[in-house]
Amino acid sequence: GAGVSQTPSNKVTEKGKYVELRCDPISGHTALYWYRQSLGQGPEFLIYFQGTGAADDSGLPNDRFFAVRPEGSVSTLKIQRTERGDSAVYLCASSRAGGDTIYFGEGSWLTVV
Amino acid sequence: QKEVEQNSGPLSVPEGAIASLNCTYSDRVSQSFFWYRQYSGKSPELIMSIYSNGDKEDGRFTAQLNKASQYVSLLIRDSQPSDSATYLCAVIKGGGADGLTFGKGTHLIIQP
Repeated sequence: GAGVSQTPSNKVTEKGKYVELRCDPISGHTALYWYRQSLGQGPEFLIYFQGTGAADDSGLPNDRFFAVRPEGSVSTLKIQRTERGDSAVYLCASSRAGGDTIYFGEGSWLTVV
Repeated sequence: QKEVEQNSGPLSVPEGAIASLNCTYSDRVSQSFFWYRQYSGKSPELIMSIYSNGDKEDGRFTAQLNKASQYVSLLIRDSQPSDSATYLCAVIKGGGADGLTFGKGTHLIIQP
C-alpha cells in the first residue's frame, strides 16, 4: 500500500480483556516496528521485525504483550489481560530494511476502562 | 542520563523568526539522526535525516550534527504558524537493529 495502515484506529476495551492491533506495512518494506506513545512522551520502542522474525523484542514491557508477523508482511500486536496503564497510542512503522528511514502509520488509540 | 534528551518546552517563537530546537544523545556509536514533526493527535512525520557532521539544508529546515559533542539541532527559518507542533529527535544506534530511540519532544509554538 501507499503508506503504513493500522487498524483499528480507536479501540476502547474493558480492563482484563484481550486486544489485537493490526499493522500493514508499506509494500516491500522488510523491517517493521511497533512503538507505544503516551501523552507528553516520545514514542517508546516495543519490538522490531526483520522479515518474519523478531530481531529485537527488548521493549515489550511484560509477557502480556506479544507480536507476530507470520508471513513477513502484516503484523499483529496482541495484549492479554489489559490494564488501564496500557492505554496509549500504539504506532506501527516500517522501513525498507533495518536502519533505513522509518515511516509511521496513524496509530491505534487504545483506551482501557 | 536518558538516551535522547530534549527540552520539552513549550518554545515560543514569533512568526517569521528562526526556531532553534536542540537534542543531545548519550550513545557515542549512534550513526543516524532524525527529526520528526508530530501534530496533536497525529503520527510522527519525518522532516530531516542527517548522518555526517555539519549542516544539511532542506527548504526552510536545517539540521546540524556534531558527533564529538553528541548534539543534533534543527533550525526552522521564517517560522510559520503551521510549524507549531511537537518536534521529536530520534537516533539509530550502531547496527540499526533496534530502530529509533526517541526523545520526549519539544513543543514549538509559533506566535502570529
